[in-house]
Formats: sequence, structure tokens, C-alpha cells
Amino acid sequence: AQSVAQPEDQVNVAEGNPLTVKCTYSVSGNPYLFWYVQYPNRGLQFLLKYITGDNLVKGSYGFEAEFNKSQTSFHLKKPSALVSDSALYFCAVRDDRRGRRALTFGSGTRLQVQP
Amino acid sequence: DGGITQSPKYLFRKEGQNVTLSCEQNLNHDAMYWYRQDPGQGLRLIYYSQIVNDFQKGDIAEGYSVSREKKESFPLTVTSAQKNPTAFYLCASSIGSSSGANVLTFGAGSRLTVL
Repeated sequence: AQSVAQPEDQVNVAEGNPLTVKCTYSVSGNPYLFWYVQYPNRGLQFLLKYITGDNLVKGSYGFEAEFNKSQTSFHLKKPSALVSDSALYFCAVRDDRRGRRALTFGSGTRLQVQP
Repeated sequence: DGGITQSPKYLFRKEGQNVTLSCEQNLNHDAMYWYRQDPGQGLRLIYYSQIVNDFQKGDIAEGYSVSREKKESFPLTVTSAQKNPTAFYLCASSIGSSSGANVLTFGAGSRLTVL
């Protein structure tokens, strides 16, 4: 089965410092990988996706993610964190079991950016 | 503006009552999904529908029911058979193409509390 894992429940970083939110995946076949962000009591917002091609994917709000096939990872990164980046971040993988074409999500990582 | 509307935003239910959560989209998307979110568990798929008048069980369908009579609507009923219904419920939609990585667009969510 397709799955993703987010090993950190929370990541703390100071404003202006680079941030990394980790994600590893386990898939059969080619992975379709996603990052979403959720603000309190809101739905999820799409940040970026990897289908194929360049291993560095650029997305919304200055975020990017690096696909690493040998390490089966898809870490989310940003060169300089903002306090407004504080939110819950989800990694996800496309799940095609029984034709569902849905997403299977990780457990989420809470990012806290301190001023 | 195109998007997904979920209602109500907050809902309180007594044990033994059925409740229905509304989800309407004007994105002309074929596929629609219901996820349940619990703290520390990420999102879990309840039901999905790839086309009108057809829907399939996801990973945690027990105690829930859905209908898809119109393309733009995918209501979720939480029945009295659901043992632990208190959660945040998210509706999503996508183009539903079998190729490529479809991005899911999410509604703002409905928070159900059982008293």
C-alpha cells in the first residue's frame, strides 16, 4: 500500500532561519507526492506536488521540496521562515487502490516559527 | 469564485442521532472525497466518488453513508452506528483524471461534537 511518514510531530525554528519538514514515502511504482498546509480550523491548502522530472519542486509561498529516490524522501523546505508559516503541514501520496485516485496523508507536522 | 462549501461549520449532536454534513462544489470536478481528521492521526478517507451516482467506501466507512445524486453535491451522513463521531470532517474534490497527479481542493471543514 502507498504510505507516507512524517517522523516529527513538531518543528521549531526561529524567524529568518531555514526550515525543513521531513517526509518519507513507501510506494509501489512511481510516486506522486504532495505537500499541503492547514491553518487552525481550516481546510488544507495545496503547496506543491512531485510527479516526475526535476527533483527540486517549487511551490506556493516560497516553499520547495526535494525528491530523493534513493532515500525515499520528499522533504519540504524554505530558505527563510516567517512567523506566518506557523501551521500544520501534511505530506501525502496518491493512492490508486481500487481506482480511488485519492490521497493518503501522513500524520502531520506542526511548524512553529518563533519571532 | 470557484470552491467547495461545507456546512455547517460547527455541529453538536446527541448520542443516537444521525447528522448530515453538506458539501457543495462549483469547480465542475468529477471526483469528490470525504476525510476525517483526528489529532495526531492525519486525514483518513471515509468515502469517495469518481462520478455521479457512484461512490465507494474508503478506509473508515463504517457508521457513515453518502450519496452522489448531483455532480456538485456529496453529502455525508454520520449515523448513530459510528462509535466515535467527534472529529473534524473535510470534503475535497478533484478533476478525477486517471492520468497525472490530481490536486485535491478542500473545503473549510465541519467540526462535529457529540454531547
